[in-house]
Amino acid sequence: EVQLVESGGGLVQPGRSMKLSCAASGFTFSNYGMAWVRQAPTKGLEWVATISYDGSSTYYRDSVKGRFTISRDNAKSTLYLQMNSLRSEDTATYYCTRGGGELDYWGQGVMVTVSS
Amino acid sequence: DIVLTQSPALAVSLGQRATISCRASQSVSTSSYNLMHWYQQKPGQQPKLLIYDASNLASSIPARFSGSGSGTDFTLTINPVQADDIATYYCQQSRELPFTFGSGTKLEIK
Repeated sequence: EVQLVESGGGLVQPGRSMKLSCAASGFTFSNYGMAWVRQAPTKGLEWVATISYDGSSTYYRDSVKGRFTISRDNAKSTLYLQMNSLRSEDTATYYCTRGGGELDYWGQGVMVTVSS
Repeated sequence: DIVLTQSPALAVSLGQRATISCRASQSVSTSSYNLMHWYQQKPGQQPKLLIYDASNLASSIPARFSGSGSGTDFTLTINPVQADDIATYYCQQSRELPFTFGSGTKLEIK
């Protein structure tokens, strides 16, 4: 059974950093592109970043480019999202997802609240 | 960015057909694929993939769900609608970056 389990969320002050992790199991992690998608409270879904199966290629939405870094450790079957210079508009539930186009499995999500 | 437009809400009677539309601001099709996907999100839960590449049923999704379309116009159909289908439905394109989602259509029961 495919499982994606996020961790690392919480309350953080504006301008500070936070790192999310996503532990993957039930499939060969190193064969799949992965992505982060976020959802602000009561809002819709927003793609954040994608990484290729081997980590050689990464893609970001403009609003996080230069602040967020997606990475992966295939030996640990873990996906990461390093978030720096956080802003109030980054407040959202962050989902770890599998896929480079369609997103066929989603974690349960982790809440990130950026507030002073 | 490719903008995906969905109606905010749709009310349907149980046992009837629900048709949810998604219109893209430019084509999301290639010569081989229609790169539009559909997700279901129930309150308090993560989204679930229903349909990929416009018309392919994702794993473990009941055949009551189907998708169609190409170019800029796509449709998700649920027939017949069941009580368990109460949710918000999102379309998403992967034709070009940034990947974008529609704003969601909330399915309600009449």
